[in-house]
Amino acid sequence: AQSVTQPDIHITVSEGASLELRCNYSYGATPYLFWYVQSPGQGLQLLLKYFSGDTLVQGIKGFEAEFKRSQSSFNLRKPSVHWSDAAEYFCAAADSGGYQKVTFGTGTKLQVIP
Amino acid sequence: DGGITQSPKYLFRKEGQNVTLSCEQNLNHDAMYWYRQDPGQGLRLIYYSQIVNDFQKGDIAEGYSVSREKKESFPLTVTSAQKNPTAFYLCASSIRGQGSTDTQYFGPGTRLTVL
Repeated sequence: AQSVTQPDIHITVSEGASLELRCNYSYGATPYLFWYVQSPGQGLQLLLKYFSGDTLVQGIKGFEAEFKRSQSSFNLRKPSVHWSDAAEYFCAAADSGGYQKVTFGTGTKLQVIP
Repeated sequence: DGGITQSPKYLFRKEGQNVTLSCEQNLNHDAMYWYRQDPGQGLRLIYYSQIVNDFQKGDIAEGYSVSREKKESFPLTVTSAQKNPTAFYLCASSIRGQGSTDTQYFGPGTRLTVL
């Protein structure tokens, strides 16, 4: 069955430190991949997406993600975290053919400490 | 301003009552979706619609119903048959549904609490 795994439920980083959020997927073929961010009580905002091409994808708010086919991973990174980055982050994937049902990971909650 | 609106933001319901959550979009998107979000479970698809007057069940459709009479509107009814309706409900839309690579854009959500 298709799945998206975010192994870290909760991560705490210091403001100014670097960040990496992990995401692994299990699909028959390389899926389309997404990262979303959700502030408390709000909807989801798209950070970035990967369909094909360059495996390093730049997104909004200074985030980037790297697609690694050999590891079935699509990890999200940011060189220097700001307090306003505290939120929950969701990795998602969709089939690259036919109707793109999107499968979401269970989310990683990021806490930023001063 | 283009976007997706959901109303109300908070909704309280007594057990045994049906309740309808509103979702409207002015993005001219063909496809619309309803998700349910519970703590630690990510998002689960309830229903989706790729075109007006057509919709399909998602992974957890039991106890829910939808309609798609207009392109911009996709209301969700939580019926009394839904065993555990307390959750955060998210509506989303995309330009096209089937066979497309379009990104889904989300509304701000409705928190439903059953008393």
